[in-house]
Amino acid sequence: GDSVTQMEGPVTLSEEAFLTINCTYTATGYPSLFWYVQYPGEGLQLLLKATKADDKGSNKGFEATYRKETTSFHLEKGSVQVSDSAVYFCALSSGGSNYKLTFGKGTLLTVNP
Amino acid sequence: DAMVIQNPRYQVTQFGKPVTLSCSQTLNHNVMYWYQQKSSQAPKLLFHYYDKDFNNEADTPDNFQSRRPNTSFCFLDIRSPGLGDAAMYLCATSSLMGYEQYFGPGTRLTVT
Repeated sequence: GDSVTQMEGPVTLSEEAFLTINCTYTATGYPSLFWYVQYPGEGLQLLLKATKADDKGSNKGFEATYRKETTSFHLEKGSVQVSDSAVYFCALSSGGSNYKLTFGKGTLLTVNP
Repeated sequence: DAMVIQNPRYQVTQFGKPVTLSCSQTLNHNVMYWYQQKSSQAPKLLFHYYDKDFNNEADTPDNFQSRRPNTSFCFLDIRSPGLGDAAMYLCATSSLMGYEQYFGPGTRLTVT
């Protein structure tokens, strides 16, 4: 079945540091890939998505590229801010009759001033 | 702004006392989902509606029920809450099955 493996946290960085959170997946067919962010006490917000190989999703300075050859969708940001402190979830959807989002376990990011 | 709204944001109930959580959406999406999220875990899908068609996950306890009276509203009923049901409950919507999902802010349920 589908699965998502993402980098275990917690990750602690200083402000303006470079961020990478690794995500790899196993899926049948050609899934869509997503990164969601969850701030403390809040629901999940869609951060970015990619629907086919080599697509790059980007939003708020975050980027991730759909790499079919390595089954990866790593999240990156060049310069993190304190306000980026949150839990980040990588997820996939195989689409069609498979309605589910399959989530990774989440990575807690803390950014210190 | 189009959005997913959940009420209340915080709910306290007593052990065994039925409770209902509500979700509404202005996105006019076909699909509505309910998730349970416990501390430091990923959300766990309980069930979803595709229009009026209800789909239960195989491991969702019978204690959890749902109603969708119209496109905009969906309710989660917990018939006899136990201490283990204390969690964040998230409602989400999508335009079609398999597309990205949009989440509400969640309802934090406490069982005393």
